[in-house]
Amino acid sequence: ILNVEQSPQSLHVQEGDSTNFTCSFPSSNFYALHWYRWETAKSPEALFVMTLNGDEKKKGRISATLNTKEGYSYLYIKGSQPEDSATYLCAFHKAAGNKLTFGGGTRVLVKP
Amino acid sequence: EAGVAQSPRYKIIEKRQSVAFWCNPISGHATLYWYQQILGQGPKLLIQFQNNGVVDDSQLPKDRFSAERLKGVDSTLKIQPAKLEDSAVYLCASSVPGTVGTETQYFGPGTRLLVL
Repeated sequence: ILNVEQSPQSLHVQEGDSTNFTCSFPSSNFYALHWYRWETAKSPEALFVMTLNGDEKKKGRISATLNTKEGYSYLYIKGSQPEDSATYLCAFHKAAGNKLTFGGGTRVLVKP
Repeated sequence: EAGVAQSPRYKIIEKRQSVAFWCNPISGHATLYWYQQILGQGPKLLIQFQNNGVVDDSQLPKDRFSAERLKGVDSTLKIQPAKLEDSAVYLCASSVPGTVGTETQYFGPGTRLLVL
């Protein structure tokens, strides 16, 4: 059973502050890591797909880094806005596998 | 481009009743997924179709859950009979086959099921 852990489970951020949170995954048999954002009452939306150790991806104020050797990825939100409030999910794809294993998510609430 | 459609959005049933969910993927997406997301946990893959063939159903509780994808387009997921622990959000997603593991999955809004 693959173990994909996200921490913290939830966090409150003041508008304008920056924040980051972690996704931990097995460092062996790594193939790809996905990040999704899931706003309440909406569909989960893809943010990034990362495959290479040291990869950095950026989309607006959101960025992510990847360390496949130690098995973790960070997601950063710079200058948080209320519209960033959502659950952020990471999903691990192992080599020679055919499915994503999701973490439990980090629920972010940005307070005005 | 229309997204992944799911219906119903919400469903409340009593235990031992039956329920069915419907999914219409993005046009041209050959791969379709059904996930179960229990509160506080990440989505868990129940079944994956490639066109109308099953790729993976290893985590589908086959004694009560069934799924089909007729003609490789729409799909239905059925639970019969439902148990309390089936209360969850059921997500449908679709993707275009590409490099395995890096395809972006496009999700529908989900069906929220409450079993009383």
